[in-house]
Amino acid sequence: DQQVKQNSPSLSVQEGRISILNCDYTNSMFDYFLWYKKYPAEGPTFLISISSIKDKNEDGRFTVFLNKSAKHLSLHIVPSQPGDSAVYFCAASAGFQGAQKLVFGQGTRLTINP
Amino acid sequence: DGGITQSPKYLFRKEGQNVTLSCEQNLNHDAMYWYRQDPGQGLRLIYYSQIVNDFQKGDIAEGYSVSREKKESFPLTVTSAQKNPTAFYLCASRITSTGWNTEAFFGQGTRLTVV
Repeated sequence: DQQVKQNSPSLSVQEGRISILNCDYTNSMFDYFLWYKKYPAEGPTFLISISSIKDKNEDGRFTVFLNKSAKHLSLHIVPSQPGDSAVYFCAASAGFQGAQKLVFGQGTRLTINP
Repeated sequence: DGGITQSPKYLFRKEGQNVTLSCEQNLNHDAMYWYRQDPGQGLRLIYYSQIVNDFQKGDIAEGYSVSREKKESFPLTVTSAQKNPTAFYLCASRITSTGWNTEAFFGQGTRLTVV
């Protein structure tokens, strides 16, 4: 049962434009959501997160939006840069403390074209 | 420098052999995780541990075993019972003792190939 889904395996965006990556989840107990960026043969690096008590969190060029009623979150990157080309994973966890499972989606490969 | 270290980076195993992947962190993190990534797929959770001497199965634990004898270390053994062990393995850790949600930090991964 895939609790976190990224339905777009790939996305291609022109440099300077906005990149929008989407993620859906099914478990209503999830209360913390994260986005990671990953290059081949490396570990993922943390980008930005959002708690379920918020609907938006911004950090520089990166903004994450959370729509709890739709069980949907999105990552906006603006403006997109060539160095943003990577695989992006969304992740979710449930529980205020304790051994929360950290569940990942399948990833979206973002390609920024010059 | 604080961080999370996985070793080795590349590992080759003959069919039928057990092999152990190392994961060490000096971040004083409570929870540690093992994930597996296959080509074109996401990160699937194998095992996770919140405290020393305690761990829970993830979504694909069959054919794997772990131990958590020290807070800093969470080794993963890929046993001969794992039918398709060739994959990229990632270890992660995060703080959970504060009660607040935090991000997980990842190691650089171990590429395991069965020959």
